[in-house]
Amino acid sequence: GENVEQHPSTLSVQEGDSAVIKCTYSDSASNYFPWYKQELGKGPQLIIDIRSNVGEKKDQRIAVTLNKTAKHFSLHITETQPEDSAVYFCAASGGSILTGGGNKLTFGTGTQLKVEL
Amino acid sequence: NAGVTQTPKFQVLKTGQSMTLQCAQDMNHNSMYWYRQDPGMGLRLIYYSASEGTTDKGEVPNGYNVSRLNKREFSLRLESAAPSQTSVYFCATSGAGVSTDTQYFGPGTRLTVL
Repeated sequence: GENVEQHPSTLSVQEGDSAVIKCTYSDSASNYFPWYKQELGKGPQLIIDIRSNVGEKKDQRIAVTLNKTAKHFSLHITETQPEDSAVYFCAASGGSILTGGGNKLTFGTGTQLKVEL
Repeated sequence: NAGVTQTPKFQVLKTGQSMTLQCAQDMNHNSMYWYRQDPGMGLRLIYYSASEGTTDKGEVPNGYNVSRLNKREFSLRLESAAPSQTSVYFCATSGAGVSTDTQYFGPGTRLTVL
């Protein structure tokens, strides 16, 4: 099955700096790579995703890059703000589409991002 | 729209007790999932349901059963709770609209087994 590794487990940056979180995956058939943000006491929320036919995707201060050959993808947050402090999870699909739509996701172990003033 | 709702929010059980975690969605999604979240281990898939009437095992199904009651509801049952099942449980849904891959999560149920 799919295996997703995520680094670092904790990341502390100064407000305004950039943050980068990296993930690797094992299944070359995986074709969908979402990133989730989880605030304390809440469920994970999708912030950006990328598919295997795209190398990079941006949404305001957030970007994700994908290197299919190396089987790794990264989350980049620029101009970090205190409200970016949360746990971030990467995930990869196993490539199998469920009959009703959707994919089985394998998650990384999470990165605790702290943005300091 | 409430999105994905879970009940209860918190629960404390004694070893051997049983309970059912409820999940409901009003997003008209076909697929529903149950995950558990433990410190340092991310989210692990317990069971999923690709459509009404079907359920399949995920990565960590032992000790759990599920029921897809209808399109809206997907319940997770612990028949005989064990301390190892102390965790935060999340329900998620996906499968409608433009992006069928996107999973939407509920607020979670924090379960402690003594």
